[in-house]
Amino acid sequence: QSVLTQPPSVSGAPGQRVTISCTGSSSNIGAGYDVHWYQQVPGTAPKLLIYGNSNRPSGVPDRFSGSKSGTSASLAITGLQAEDEADYYCQSYDSSLSARVFGGGTKLTVL
Amino acid sequence: QITLKESGPTLVKPTQTLTLTCTFSGFSLSTSGVGVGWIRQPPGKALEWLALIYWDDDDYYSPSLKSRLTITKDTSKNQVVLKMTSMDPVDTATYYCAHYYGSGSYFNRHFDYWGQGTLVTVSS
Repeated sequence: QSVLTQPPSVSGAPGQRVTISCTGSSSNIGAGYDVHWYQQVPGTAPKLLIYGNSNRPSGVPDRFSGSKSGTSASLAITGLQAEDEADYYCQSYDSSLSARVFGGGTKLTVL
Repeated sequence: QITLKESGPTLVKPTQTLTLTCTFSGFSLSTSGVGVGWIRQPPGKALEWLALIYWDDDDYYSPSLKSRLTITKDTSKNQVVLKMTSMDPVDTATYYCAHYYGSGSYFNRHFDYWGQGTLVTVSS
């Protein structure tokens, strides 16, 4: 059971907008620790998608955006493309565990 | 250009000790603020953080695995080594090393560059 909770799956048609939630608690996201997002295409290594809640590394399209509020964070993807089909993971720090923690991952299917 | 690559055995027997090496380029682990971490992913499952070592030799471990893990670095060789004792079939996973960086608090940093991963199977 992951400390950060994500929906197992989300889906959307090409061109649509989808959001992926990451729900934590007062010892991680709610404590003010940053949330980062990673994209993992099956069979490949994770890739940093969003860091520091809402910042995009160079090369990541602005179709991807992140936000944080209270004990939760969200990743939004607009203008869905077939190449966005992947697993997405949130990550933060948990002070109760003294550990970097990942969410359980969300599989995005582009219909 | 930052690159990392994991190496080690693909098959280990139960109770054995696993030793994985992360060889990197494009940065130095003697640079202030830099860290390298290990993360694993069992087949079909989520990512799990294992350990982290900083430029100043500070090291951190997943609390659930702390008793079995040791992370060390060799700055001259640009390598980070992870040892995991008492291997069990449940430890079968792809093991990744990653560059850990960012500004501000060390707690808020992220894994910005990842190795390709190495699949380790635990079986007799």
